[in-house]
Amino acid sequence: EADIYQTPRYLVIGTGKKITLECSQTMGHDKMYWYQQDPGMELHLIHYSYGVNSTEKGDLSSESTVSRIRTEHFPLTLESARPSHTSQYLCASSELGTSGSLQETQYFGPGTRLLVL
Amino acid sequence: GQQLNQSPQSMFIQEGEDVSMNCTSSSIFNTWLWYKQDPGEGPVLLIALYKAGELTSNGRLTAQFGITRKDSFLNISASIPSDVGIYFCAGPTISGGSNYKLTFGKGTLLTVNP
Repeated sequence: EADIYQTPRYLVIGTGKKITLECSQTMGHDKMYWYQQDPGMELHLIHYSYGVNSTEKGDLSSESTVSRIRTEHFPLTLESARPSHTSQYLCASSELGTSGSLQETQYFGPGTRLLVL
Repeated sequence: GQQLNQSPQSMFIQEGEDVSMNCTSSSIFNTWLWYKQDPGEGPVLLIALYKAGELTSNGRLTAQFGITRKDSFLNISASIPSDVGIYFCAGPTISGGSNYKLTFGKGTLLTVNP
């Protein structure tokens, strides 16, 4: 069973507020990811990291930012939340191994459902 | 970039029926993954396939890695109401140098009528 945690699970917040979505994993995985998903829709990669001090933007442009100061922690921040940021945010992690694609089995957290009013 | 075509987009079945869904790609994949996402939760890995032609079962679920390495299918036998959810296929694609990231299909929404 994957040990990857996200908090909060649900967040309702007003426009203009700064928010940070937390993601932690205890598996020692080097690679971590953030996906954005609207209900019933496909997953969109918005950020990823290959290790400490490494962050990259994903396929979908996002106004959020991320940081990776510790291996186990990959928080996502929105400086000024807007209603268009309403969505589910999923964090995932995988190993960085030498067998290439075989290490790409990603394990997901339970998600944070964000509603911006 | 590489895309995965997943079908059907949605399925509405009666409890007890068997279900089949598939993913195809124009590119070769070295790994195929199948995930299930329950409403309001994150995707959970069901089956991972690492070799062309591989057929793997997990309880009532069976998945196969196509021999051409460009497709995979997932079967669910004797469906039950808790099979409801969105099923995603995924495969790793190269993302700069020797790094990989996962490409996901758009999902198959399964509804099971009791």
